[in-house]
Amino acid sequence: DAMVIQNPRYQVTQFGKPVTLSCSQTLNHNVMYWYQQKSSQAPKLLFHYYDKDFNNEADTPDNFQSRRPNTSFCFLDIRSPGLGDAAMYLCATSSLSRPLAGAPSFGPGTRLTVT
Amino acid sequence: KQEVTQIPAALSVPEGENLVLNCSFTDSAIYNLQWFRQDPGKGLTSLLLIQSSQREQTSGRLNASLDKSSGRSTLYIAASQPGDSATYLCAVFQGGSEKLVFGKGTKLTVNP
Repeated sequence: DAMVIQNPRYQVTQFGKPVTLSCSQTLNHNVMYWYQQKSSQAPKLLFHYYDKDFNNEADTPDNFQSRRPNTSFCFLDIRSPGLGDAAMYLCATSSLSRPLAGAPSFGPGTRLTVT
Repeated sequence: KQEVTQIPAALSVPEGENLVLNCSFTDSAIYNLQWFRQDPGKGLTSLLLIQSSQREQTSGRLNASLDKSSGRSTLYIAASQPGDSATYLCAVFQGGSEKLVFGKGTKLTVNP
């Protein structure tokens, strides 16, 4: 089945040790998103790719970077994780063909723990 | 800037009760509105999607309505069950920005 896959599902990293989360999709969607969700909070958009165009949210810390080497894959790099970066990281994809926007499809998330 | 508000933040009901969750948004220029369910520590499960041209969508015991002009949506759950206990999130797909903006959610508890 076509889907959005996130690996790993659970990631433990040490304070300050770089970590990469991955997302892949078989939907051939042109837009890919990374959201951060902390406990009991709404998912917060970090950035998204529209095809190869990278769109960073104004309040996304520089510590967070992203790469999209091809349509199917997108990576979230946290260069120096702090304790405050512990959260659920959600990847989503969407096919945008105005005037209708396709419903975003979400992956299962990666829960990041920073020790 | 689009803002999405969900009321109430938490709701506890006895099993079998019908209930309504509310969502409001400040900018009516949306492509669509989506309701999600999230179980503790898990990802998001899409429940219903309403395109901006639609007024409502139904799936089983769930019915979602959209009044774009007033910036409101409701999620109606009929004959609630303990298995419906979860956090329900409303999100709008913002026109012109390719962004999905979420509310903070309503935490629902259905008591047996």
